[in-house]
Amino acid sequence: QKEVEQNSGPLSVPEGAIASLNCTYSDRGSQSFFWYRQYSGKSPELIMFIYSNGDKEDGRFTAQLNKASQYVSLLIRDSQPSDSATYLCAAPDTGRRALTFGSGTRLQVQP
Amino acid sequence: SQTIHQWPATLVQPVGSPLSLECTVEGTSNPNLYWYRQAAGRGLQLLFYSVGIGQISSEVPQNLSASRPQDRQFILSSKKLLLSDSGFYLCAWIAGGITDTQYFGPGTRLTVL
Repeated sequence: QKEVEQNSGPLSVPEGAIASLNCTYSDRGSQSFFWYRQYSGKSPELIMFIYSNGDKEDGRFTAQLNKASQYVSLLIRDSQPSDSATYLCAAPDTGRRALTFGSGTRLQVQP
Repeated sequence: SQTIHQWPATLVQPVGSPLSLECTVEGTSNPNLYWYRQAAGRGLQLLFYSVGIGQISSEVPQNLSASRPQDRQFILSSKKLLLSDSGFYLCAWIAGGITDTQYFGPGTRLTVL
């Protein structure tokens, strides 16, 4: 079974700092990767996806993909208390036509 | 635009009672549909997925079942609930294309007492 690994945290950063969230995956055939944000008691919402090696930027968020190292990361610049949530990394499992999710990293942004 | 609905939003049921959770998608046709469960403080566990009407794939053998009676309707059921069935149940669908982006419904919070 395909695996996606994340550090459960909590990752605590001060307001205004850069938060760095990391994810590794086992399936070398995975082509695209997703980052979701989940607030407590709510359903996950998509932040961004990436399918090319390198960086992809969207506002304060930057996703980084290194297929050779099977490593995906999410950087959040100028972190705000409203960014405090659990961040889920996911990769497609083409055999099951579904996404495999990591267990999530809890981010706490201290005011 | 596409939207996904789930109901009920919250549910409290006694052990041994039946369960029926419903999910409907609007604004798309023939979507891939998914049921996930998230236990308290845990990750997402894929329970079932469906690529079409009447086509159900089960990921976890347990006392739950799923059905897809219509193209945009996905139902999760149980004949007798267990305490371990408590959790946050999420329905999701995938928009086709290279990225296969998955979107989640608002979820149903189930507490089995």
